[in-house]
Formats: sequence, C-alpha cells, structure tokens
Amino acid sequence: AQSVTQLDSQVPVFEEAPVELRCNYSSSVSVYLFWYVQYPNQGLQLLLKYLSGSTLVKGINGFEAEFNKSQTSFHLRKPSVHISDTAEYFCAVNAGGTSYGKLTFGQGTILTVHP
Amino acid sequence: IAGITQAPTSQILAAGRRMTLRCTQDMRHNAMYWYRQDLGLGLRLIHYSNTAGTTGKGEVPDGYSVSRANTDDFPLTLASAVPSQTSVYFCASSPGVGPYEQYFGPGTRLTVT
Repeated sequence: AQSVTQLDSQVPVFEEAPVELRCNYSSSVSVYLFWYVQYPNQGLQLLLKYLSGSTLVKGINGFEAEFNKSQTSFHLRKPSVHISDTAEYFCAVNAGGTSYGKLTFGQGTILTVHP
Repeated sequence: IAGITQAPTSQILAAGRRMTLRCTQDMRHNAMYWYRQDLGLGLRLIHYSNTAGTTGKGEVPDGYSVSRANTDDFPLTLASAVPSQTSVYFCASSPGVGPYEQYFGPGTRLTVT
C-alpha cells in the first residue's frame, strides 16, 4: 500500500520569503511523485512531477522539488513567494504494483502569503 | 479549450434522494477517476475506470456507483444520498494506466441535508 504525509497543514509566510512544503511517502515499490496546486474554488493544477532521472525537478511558477529516495521525501520549495502563490498544495504518489496508475494524495498544505 | 467539464457546479440535495454528477472529457483519455475532497483529508479516490467499459473501486466507494459507456463520459451516482456525502467532488482523467499526470475538472460542491 502507498501513503503520503504532508507534514504541515498550514504554512504562513511573508511575501518574497523562501518556502518549503514537506511531503513524505511510503511505498514498497518504485514511485512517481506529483505536486498539485489548488486555488480557491478551482480544480487541481499540476505544478511538477518526478518520474525518473534527475532528482531535482523544476515546475511552473518558479517551484521546484527534490526527490530523496533514502528519506522517502519529495519536498516542494520556492526561493521567493508572491501573494499569488496563496493556495492549497497537494503532494501525490503513483506507485507500482496493484495501485499502478492511481494517485494517493496527502492531506494538503495551505500556503498563505502575507504582504 | 480541451479539458474536463462537470455538472452541476453545486447542488443542495435532500437526504435519501438520488443524484448523478456528470463528467465529460474531450481529450480522448482512456482513464477517468472520481475523487471527493474533504477538509483535512485531501482527495480520496471513489471509483475509477481504466478504459471504456471497465470500472473499479477506489478507497471510499460505498454509497456510490459509476458507469463508463464511452470514452468521454464518466457519471457518478449517489443512489440514496446521506449527509456524510456532503463534499466537493472532482472528476479527473489521464491518458492511460501509468505514470501520467491526471487532469482535473472544476468540481461539484454537493450538500446533503
């Protein structure tokens, strides 16, 4: 079975500050990892994904994430946030085996950027 | 613009009533999914379909049913709604079974009273 834990339910930060949203996963097989963003009253939009290759993945809006297999983590980072980054962020895992093709989501992290 | 449409946008439903949430995609994706989103729980998979004519149960299937008569449509039915089914429902699709991104619709906000 696969599972995802987002370690912070809410992260407040000031504009232009760096931010890290933490995500840990568990799976007994190889994984594919995703970060999605949800703006208020909207559906989910893909930020970035890790399938294979380089462990540092760059996505849209200046976000990046690093896949760390030994620590089973996939933390999301941005060096300087904007007010417009205020949203809820979801980490998700797509593992092999019987769950192949299905996404398991974390509980979400609400990022609030203050002026 | 290609994508996923869901209807209705929102609905208030009396307990015990039957309701079908509609989902249509125009990307010719083989796989489709239904999730519910509840505060603090993230998104949980209700049912999925790997290809037209097949369906499967996700993490929280009880009280819901789906059908996949063709590639484009994947309706979700609540046979007899209960208040615990109050949630935001998202339909998603992906090209197939594999390490693919899923594309999400705008959601349906359902309140069961």
